[in-house]
Amino acid sequence: KQEVTQIPAALSVPEGENLVLNCSFTDSAIYNLQWFRQDPGKGLTSLLLIQSSQREQTSGRLNASLDKSSGRSTLYIAASQPGDSATYLCAVMILTGGGNKLTFGTGTQLKVEL
Amino acid sequence: DGGITQSPKYLFRKEGQNVTLSCEQNLNHDAMYWYRQDPGQGLRLIYYSQIVNDFQKGDIAEGYSVSREKKESFPLTVTSAQKNPTAFYLCASSITPQGLGGYTFGSGTRLTVV
Repeated sequence: KQEVTQIPAALSVPEGENLVLNCSFTDSAIYNLQWFRQDPGKGLTSLLLIQSSQREQTSGRLNASLDKSSGRSTLYIAASQPGDSATYLCAVMILTGGGNKLTFGTGTQLKVEL
Repeated sequence: DGGITQSPKYLFRKEGQNVTLSCEQNLNHDAMYWYRQDPGQGLRLIYYSQIVNDFQKGDIAEGYSVSREKKESFPLTVTSAQKNPTAFYLCASSITPQGLGGYTFGSGTRLTVV
């Protein structure tokens, strides 16, 4: 059974700091990995999607890397801003004989302080 | 703009009542999903549908029912058999029937039992 872990569960940083969020998964036979952002009481917003054949994806100040063999992904946020405060979730896709399964981590709650 | 619309945003259910949560998408996506989110837990899959008139149980389907009569719509009914329905419910879609290519989420419905 695929398990996805995100450490730390919560993180507080001063504005302007570069930071890294971690995601690890137990089954390395993934198809893709997706990073999401969730604001309190809201739905999930997709940030980056990395296919298993890719090593990284970038969007603006965000960079996500994937190391399938070690079962790890990181989300790098450059020059953090208070507006980046949210919960960040990673999810991995495993191909199965039936419906393919997306497994979520429990998230890292980020607070960027002025 | 294309997206997923969930309604209502807040829903209150009395003991023994069935309630239906709406999910509509105009993305022309094939696959649709319902997830449940509880504090401190990852998202858990309730039901999913890969094509019209077909749907499959997810990990926690007991006490829930769905239909997929139109490609755009995937309503979720929370029945009286669901013993602990208070949660945040999220609907998602993916462009391919197999769920590849990433997921798009709606803004969620918060259901409370009163």
